Amino acid sequence: AQSVTQPDIHITVSEGASLELRCNYSYGATPYLFWYVQSPGQGLQLLLKYFSGDTLVQGIKGFEAEFKRSQSSFNLRKPSVHWSDAAEYFCALLSGGYQKVTFGIGTKLQVIP
Amino acid sequence: DTGVSQDPRHKITKRGQNVTFRCDPISEHNRLYWYRQTLGQGPEFLTYFQNEAQLEKSRLLSDRFSAERPKGSFSTLEIQRTEQGDSAMYLCASSFGAVADTEAFFGQGTRLTVV
Repeated sequence: AQSVTQPDIHITVSEGASLELRCNYSYGATPYLFWYVQSPGQGLQLLLKYFSGDTLVQGIKGFEAEFKRSQSSFNLRKPSVHWSDAAEYFCALLSGGYQKVTFGIGTKLQVIP
Repeated sequence: DTGVSQDPRHKITKRGQNVTFRCDPISEHNRLYWYRQTLGQGPEFLTYFQNEAQLEKSRLLSDRFSAERPKGSFSTLEIQRTEQGDSAMYLCASSFGAVADTEAFFGQGTRLTVV
């Protein structure tokens, strides 16, 4: 069965510092991978997705993620974090024929001045 | 606003009561999903519709849960005889197009509290 692991439940970074959120997956076929962001009281917003091709994908809000098949990872990065990036981030994997998405537990990002 | 709309945003109910939530997807989106998100967890897949057909149901969807999408547009999720364990955020999402190359747009969710 497929699974998504986000090993960091909570991360605190200073504004302007770089950010990397970790995501590891387990899936028997070529994965389709996503990063979503959820602000308090809000729905999920797609940051970026990887289906095929270039393993470094660019997303919205200055985020990028790199797919590494050998490490079964899809880590999210941002070179300089803004206070407005404080939110919860979910890594997700698409499986099956009906776009069933399996989410990780989420990483809550706190940004300090 | 042309996004996914969910109603109500919040629902408090007594244990044993029935509740119904509504989801209005983005117009012309043929795919509709329901997810449940409990505190400290990621969303968990509940069920999926393509047009009016319910094509997949999670084992999380017990017989107290039923979802419909009667005309392939809006959808309802009903929980009968609610239990405290049903307290969660219920998220609806919709998408359109080929299986793997489209984005699912999420609504803001309905937060259910069972007291």
